[in-house]
Amino acid sequence: DAMVIQNPRYQVTQFGKPVTLSCSQTLNHNVMYWYQQKSSQAPKLLFHYYDKDFNNEADTPDNFQSRRPNTSFCFLDIRSPGLGDAAMYLCATSRDGLSNLYNEQFFGPGTRLTVL
Amino acid sequence: AQKITQTQPGMFVQEKEAVTLDCTYDTSDPSYGLFWYKQPSSGEMIFLIYQGSYDQQNATEGRYSLNFQKARKSANLVISASQLGDSAMYFCAMREGRDSNYQLIWGAGTKLIIKP
Repeated sequence: DAMVIQNPRYQVTQFGKPVTLSCSQTLNHNVMYWYQQKSSQAPKLLFHYYDKDFNNEADTPDNFQSRRPNTSFCFLDIRSPGLGDAAMYLCATSRDGLSNLYNEQFFGPGTRLTVL
Repeated sequence: AQKITQTQPGMFVQEKEAVTLDCTYDTSDPSYGLFWYKQPSSGEMIFLIYQGSYDQQNATEGRYSLNFQKARKSANLVISASQLGDSAMYFCAMREGRDSNYQLIWGAGTKLIIKP
């Protein structure tokens, strides 16, 4: 089945220790998104890729970086995690055209990050 | 100003009853799309239903229907014959046609608990 896969499902890191979360998709979608979701809150968009074009949200901290080496894979790097970065990180994909309002996003199962 | 408002932080509903989850939105863009997503406690975000601003009929998908009242700017989700598995967070989201950034604007969510 076509899907969005996130690894690992649970990640524990230490304060200040870099961590990388990964996302892969078999849907061949051209847009990939990274969201941060804290407990009982709505997801917050960090950035997205439209093909290879990277789009950073204005309020995404510099501590968060992303890479998309090819269509299928996208990585979220947190350079120096703080306690406030503990959250669920959701990866999503969509097939988008400029005139396509129907932008269903397909989500992965998420990675729950704990910072000690 | 909030663009998506979900006024019910939490709801308890008896199994097999119908439930309505409220969502109001605010946009001056005549072209927009409205989405409902379900997020169980496991964390994955599941797309439920979509309504476009120009759609003449209310969207339906199985037990889910969207009560779209354009003049009131409301897009309430109706779940018929609720089941225990419907217990989850429910998010209403909107995409505006003028936003070339493909962003979904999310509501704060409603936590639905189905009682046996």
